[in-house]
Amino acid sequence: KAGVTQTPRYLIKTRGQQVTLSCSPISGHRSVSWYQQTPGQGLQFLFEYFSETQRNKGNFPGRFSGRQFSNSRSEMNVSTLELGDSALYLCASSLRGYNEQFFGPGTRLTVL
Amino acid sequence: QKEVEQDPGPLSVPEGAIVSLNCTYSNSAFQYFMWYRQYSRKGPELLMYTYSSGNKEDGRFTAQVDKSSKYISLFIRDSQPSDSATYLCAMSGGSYIPTFGRGTSLIVHP
Repeated sequence: KAGVTQTPRYLIKTRGQQVTLSCSPISGHRSVSWYQQTPGQGLQFLFEYFSETQRNKGNFPGRFSGRQFSNSRSEMNVSTLELGDSALYLCASSLRGYNEQFFGPGTRLTVL
Repeated sequence: QKEVEQDPGPLSVPEGAIVSLNCTYSNSAFQYFMWYRQYSRKGPELLMYTYSSGNKEDGRFTAQVDKSSKYISLFIRDSQPSDSATYLCAMSGGSYIPTFGRGTSLIVHP
């Protein structure tokens, strides 16, 4: 079974721009969660989507948003990029809950 | 105080050693306790999870949860150089979103 895929793998943007990241979950998984990983803060939960509805949200500003499509694929958008948004953005899918999540390889975003 | 505390290391051990990795937490509502392994430039890989207190074994890996002390451990037996990675603990439960430790860097040298 194919794993979680994320595109693009690397991205360089400048301050003020916006970016969209994509995630394709494992086939049959309806839950998709997004995380931000930085050396300073570690892995932090952004939000989770289940059956096209946002089910949970972490403590991030409204510049971070997401959506999920009917095929469970998900996108994450960050508007008005700031230098501090430079991070590894990880997507994880699961069948049941947070206790059994499978992560993708991540998108490395660099904001200049 | 962070909700989940994890020593960043690095922890350096010789091949074949028993490794003990630990996390402490403050939120008694956590019910699921997970361990992930993350190699450099890769996403985290789920090793195992436990529900509530107790032990769980999977090959060379054993996870322990002590809810009374709010302390969880991951033991790796017969450690191999290929086990060199960052190990992340994570917790969730009830209405609480997953909370991760910052990770412990493990180096197993031949």
